[in-house]
Amino acid sequence: DIQMTQSPSSLSASVGDRVTITCRASQSINSYLNWYQQKPGKAPNLLIYAASSLQSGVPSRFSGSGSGTDFTLTISSLQPEDFATYHCQQSYSSPRTFGQGTKVEFK
Amino acid sequence: QVQLQESGPGLVKPSQTLSLTCTVSGGSISSGDYFWSWIRQPPGKGLEWIGYIYYSGSIYYNPSLKSRVTISVDTSKNQFSLKLSSVTAADTALYYCARECRSCNDAFDIWGQGTMVTVSS
Repeated sequence: DIQMTQSPSSLSASVGDRVTITCRASQSINSYLNWYQQKPGKAPNLLIYAASSLQSGVPSRFSGSGSGTDFTLTISSLQPEDFATYHCQQSYSSPRTFGQGTKVEFK
Repeated sequence: QVQLQESGPGLVKPSQTLSLTCTVSGGSISSGDYFWSWIRQPPGKGLEWIGYIYYSGSIYYNPSLKSRVTISVDTSKNQFSLKLSSVTAADTALYYCARECRSCNDAFDIWGQGTMVTVSS
């Protein structure tokens, strides 16, 4: 199985901050990397697919980059509704695997 | 738009079989553009992919659960189902059904709201 490791596990930030979350795969996954946002009590919501493609309806302050084994999710200016947990997921091979999640909390 | 809705018992006894159904509305489960997946999330933990099924019946299970999992599809009802046998407390989780979009990098683009299943006597 491909292991996905996110860092940090949690972070504290303020509204307006630039936030960066990293995801590393245990082997190359090309660009088969997707990012999700999950709010408490809700299902995950797709933000970014194919490492850098913005899902329809997702604000442009979210962006993704990377290929191979190292990937980044960036929120350019954190908004109140962005406090949530973020998950990366590889779709390069089965079984599909997720990172452990990064919780973005209010500073 | 397409919506997914999980249904099934919220409480299952240890050693019994967990059974859930996902009903797809607003679109056809027989579309060749999608796989149909089950994913679970134990309380306070991360997401674990259980497996997927294609409308034709092709299936892939997570090897970690393969010996206990069965996923099936009923195209006439626009539903797919999950059975997990010999459950233990470790199977207590929020269970989601999700659509895997083949044209968007095999990402999970639509999710059900999730259903909590507790394994307890």
